Amino acid sequence: KQEVTQIPAALSVPEGENLVLNCSFTDSAIYNLQWFRQDPGKGLTSLLLIQSSQREQTSGRLNASLDKSSGRSTLYIAASQPGDSATYLCAVSGSNYKLTFGKGTLLTVNP
Amino acid sequence: NAGVTQTPKFRILKIGQSMTLQCTQDMNHNYMYWYRQDPGMGLKLIYYSVGAGITDKGEVPNGYNVSRSTTEDFPLRLELAAPSQTSVYFCATTTSGGLGLKQETQYFGPGTRLLVL
Repeated sequence: KQEVTQIPAALSVPEGENLVLNCSFTDSAIYNLQWFRQDPGKGLTSLLLIQSSQREQTSGRLNASLDKSSGRSTLYIAASQPGDSATYLCAVSGSNYKLTFGKGTLLTVNP
Repeated sequence: NAGVTQTPKFRILKIGQSMTLQCTQDMNHNYMYWYRQDPGMGLKLIYYSVGAGITDKGEVPNGYNVSRSTTEDFPLRLELAAPSQTSVYFCATTTSGGLGLKQETQYFGPGTRLLVL
């Protein structure tokens, strides 16, 4: 059974700092890995999707990497801003694109 | 293009009551999913559908039922509500577009918050 772990569970940083969120998964037979953002009381917004054959994806200040053989992914956020404060969820896609989620990292960026 | 819509946004049920959570998408996606999210936890898959007329169980299907008569709609039915079903329910969709095994991202609805007392 696929299990996804996210570390740390919570992170508080001052504005402007670069930061890394970590995600690990136990079964390397995945189709893709996705990073989502969730604001309090809201749904999930997709940030980045990395196909299993890819090593990284970038969108603006966000960069996600994937090392499928070791079961690890990182989400790098450059020059963090208070508006980045949210919960970040990592999910891996298996058969029929079903997602297995981690519990998330609660990020707080302080002005 | 509304994407994925869910109704209701919030509902309080008494133990033993039944209800249907509605999910509609206008993106013509063939895959649809129901997840639940408990406080401090990630999302867990309840049921999913790979196309109209085809549904299958996810990780936590007990106490729920689904149907998929059209591409657009994927309702989730709770027959006998229990306190353990207090949660936030999310509907999501994706499509198997592209060549080979290339998958698309999943698009989520805004969620339905359910409280069973």
